[in-house]
Amino acid sequence: KAGVTQTPRYLIKTRGQQVTLSCSPISGHRSVSWYQQTPGQGLQFLFEYFSETQRNKGNFPGRFSGRQFSNSRSEMNVSTLELGDSALYLCASSFLSTGGWAGELFFGEGSRLTVL
Amino acid sequence: GENVGLHLPTLSVQEGDNSIINCAYSNSASDYFIWYKQESGKGPQFIIDIRSNMDKRQGQRVTVLLNKTVKHLSLQIAATQPGDSAVYFCAETGGSYIPTFGRGTSLIVHP
Repeated sequence: KAGVTQTPRYLIKTRGQQVTLSCSPISGHRSVSWYQQTPGQGLQFLFEYFSETQRNKGNFPGRFSGRQFSNSRSEMNVSTLELGDSALYLCASSFLSTGGWAGELFFGEGSRLTVL
Repeated sequence: GENVGLHLPTLSVQEGDNSIINCAYSNSASDYFIWYKQESGKGPQFIIDIRSNMDKRQGQRVTVLLNKTVKHLSLQIAATQPGDSAVYFCAETGGSYIPTFGRGTSLIVHP
């Protein structure tokens, strides 16, 4: 069974540009979450999608957005990039179907974004 | 490699020793806890979980202890091996089903 796949693994952008990251969850998983990981802040929750709907959102500015497709694949977009957006962006999928139980998250290897 | 280990508490042990990694959580309403392991260049990987109605749970070479009175979680690794070297995160979930992750502890195992 294939794991969570994230693309691209590495990318370099300059300030002001925008970036789109992609995540393919484990087959059968309908919940996809995104996290930002930095040395200073650790793992910070961005948002979570289930059945193409954003169910939860973390405390990030509106420059960070996402979406989920009918096949559960998800994308996240960061517009007007800032230096502080440099981070490892992790996607996680889960078999969660209803609220109240998080269960195990299965993480991808992440997309390492560097903003110059 | 990944620099996720910077600025983290570090635990150094000798191969074969037992390791104990601690985590303090903040939400008294949290009812589900997970330990994750993150090796360099990889995403976090599930190790073991525990519900709030339990105090202890054992896996293969790992044991998680939960003390709800002081909101403390620990991960014990028996006979630590070099392959156990990684950053370990605890995560708590309560109310919302979105887990909140701790800052992580870097475990270094010396052969």
